[in-house]
Amino acid sequence: QSALTQPPSASGTPGRRLTISCSGSTSNIGSYTVNWYQQLPGTAPKLLIYSNDQRPSGVPDRFSGSKSGTSASLAIRGLQSEDEADYYCAAWDDSLNGVVFGGGTKLTVL
Amino acid sequence: QVQLVESGGGLVKPGGSLRLSCAASGFTFSDYYMSWIRQTPGKGLEWVSYISSSGSTIYYADSVKGRFTISRDNAKNLMYLQMNSLRAEDTAVYYCARDLTGYAYWGQGTLVTVSS
Repeated sequence: QSALTQPPSASGTPGRRLTISCSGSTSNIGSYTVNWYQQLPGTAPKLLIYSNDQRPSGVPDRFSGSKSGTSASLAIRGLQSEDEADYYCAAWDDSLNGVVFGGGTKLTVL
Repeated sequence: QVQLVESGGGLVKPGGSLRLSCAASGFTFSDYYMSWIRQTPGKGLEWVSYISSSGSTIYYADSVKGRFTISRDNAKNLMYLQMNSLRAEDTAVYYCARDLTGYAYWGQGTLVTVSS
């Protein structure tokens, strides 16, 4: 069982806004920043959001992140078909002395 | 440009060993922490291990502690993962990634299959 909890699936129609949640604990999200990764089929994960709400160069501003307490969220506005992918949250965890990932959320654009 | 290339994956019997390599280029390898992350078929990501820039600090996930050994050769820009006493549950795509967290750069992954 993942240390971070995400919904296994999410779906939305093109152009709509969607959020994916990520729930943790005081040993991870509650104490450290959250990163989000996007994984397209057959490819390596790609860093989408770092330090809770920062976008790496090249990531569209349709993607945004936030954190409150021991939970975090990834928001995608203006959904596009190419956003169909798996999304993972991750954070440092004190009890692990390593990174914990969420179980991933498979996004379907209807 | 930053490039990470894993190699060494393959089919191995339970109890066997395998050594993965990660060749780095496009950045000053000796300045960065490096990590191994794996992904089981059809499932999620699991952090495996990391090593500090000098190699002096190393941590492992409990699931591999005592069986896997991470190391690096800064002169050759290479990182390794020696995997011993392999189990079926170690079957996964193994990725190397730059940094301790916030992995901006990943390799393409190498598949390790543990099966008799």
